[in-house]
Amino acid sequence: EVQLVESGGGLVQPGGSLRLSCEAHGFTFHDYWMGWVRQALGKGLEWVANINEDGGVKTYLDSVKGRFTISRDNAKNSVYLQMNSLGADDTAVYFCAKWNRAAALDYWGQGTLVTVSS
Amino acid sequence: QSALTQPRSVSGSPGQSVTISCAGTSRDVGAYNFVSWFQQLPGKAPKLILYAVTQRPSGVPDRFSGSKSGNTASLTISGLQADDEADYYCCSNAGRHTYVFGTGTQVTVL
Repeated sequence: EVQLVESGGGLVQPGGSLRLSCEAHGFTFHDYWMGWVRQALGKGLEWVANINEDGGVKTYLDSVKGRFTISRDNAKNSVYLQMNSLGADDTAVYFCAKWNRAAALDYWGQGTLVTVSS
Repeated sequence: QSALTQPRSVSGSPGQSVTISCAGTSRDVGAYNFVSWFQQLPGKAPKLILYAVTQRPSGVPDRFSGSKSGNTASLTISGLQADDEADYYCCSNAGRHTYVFGTGTQVTVL
């Protein structure tokens, strides 16, 4: 059974940093692209970042470029999102998700809440 | 990276059909057959219900169907049931391994 378990969310001050982690189970992790998607409270889904199978290709939402970094450790079946220079607009539930080979997010974690506030 | 446009809400009676549109541009929906749809219940993670415009993952009933014409994709729910009441989002490849979601549609079963 595929499982994605996020951690690392919490309350952070504006301008601060946070690192989200997502541990994957139940599939051959190093064979798949992974991504992060966020959802502000009461709002829609927003794609944030993707990383390819070996970590050599990373893509980002324009508004997070230069502030967020996606990475992965295939030995640990984990993907990460380092978030710097956080602002109120970054407050959201962040979901880790697995891409299938038809460019669709077929499995999602339960999400981790990031709150940026003083 | 502008969000795809969906109607804010649609409604129907049990047994009826509803269709949700997802309007994009020639740079996303119109350019790729990589449109997917998600169902999200309150407080839950999204669930994939369609991918590659028309394909259903295992376990998704055939009441859910998809299509695309030009820059607009559509999700049709036939034989509407009470547990179809949820938020629905489309998602499209937008080139260079970037993606864009729709604004989301709340489906209400009357």
